[in-house]
Amino acid sequence: DQQVKQNSPSLSVQEGRISILNCDYTNSMFDYFLWYKKYPAEGPTFLISISSIKDKNEDGRFTVFLNKSAKHLSLHIVPSQPGDSAVYFCAASARGGGNKLTFGTGTQLKVEL
Amino acid sequence: GAGVSQSPSNKVTEKGKDVELRCDPISGHTALYWYRQSLGQGLEFLIYFQGNSAPDKSGLPSDRFSAERTGGSVSTLTIQRTQQEDSAVYLCASSYGSANTEAFFGQGTRLTVV
Repeated sequence: DQQVKQNSPSLSVQEGRISILNCDYTNSMFDYFLWYKKYPAEGPTFLISISSIKDKNEDGRFTVFLNKSAKHLSLHIVPSQPGDSAVYFCAASARGGGNKLTFGTGTQLKVEL
Repeated sequence: GAGVSQSPSNKVTEKGKDVELRCDPISGHTALYWYRQSLGQGLEFLIYFQGNSAPDKSGLPSDRFSAERTGGSVSTLTIQRTQQEDSAVYLCASSYGSANTEAFFGQGTRLTVV
């Protein structure tokens, strides 16, 4: 039972354009959502998060949007840079679930020159 | 260092042998996770420790896998009678375990079963 889904395994974007990575979830108890970035041969690193009481959180070039009614979140990166090329994982947790993080399967982003 | 430390970074073992993977979480973090990432796959949850609560073992793929966390700090993931399908990168993460907090990952242990 995949409670957090990233339906696009890969995405290719030109440098300077916007990258939009999508994530859907099924568990309505999730109340905190995160995005992680992973380079090859490294552990994932935390990027940005959003609480369920908000619908948008922005940090520099990265913005996360949350649509609770659709159980959907997205990560926008603008402008995209070649160094953004990595695998992006979304994750979610629920206070009622002991705050355990549940991850999606990841989306490979490639930013081309 | 102040981050999550995993050892060894690489491990090659023969099929049928037992292996132990170690994780040193960030000091003060009460929650500890083990995940694995097989080639071309996402992050597969294995086990979750949170404070003194009973661990969530729901992700362990078989009874050959076990993990313990001694003194609420260091954790060891043990795989008995390794199989080739156990080959993967095993990732450990830790967090404060409270609501709305992120987890920090180690660099992982790349396990290769030959």
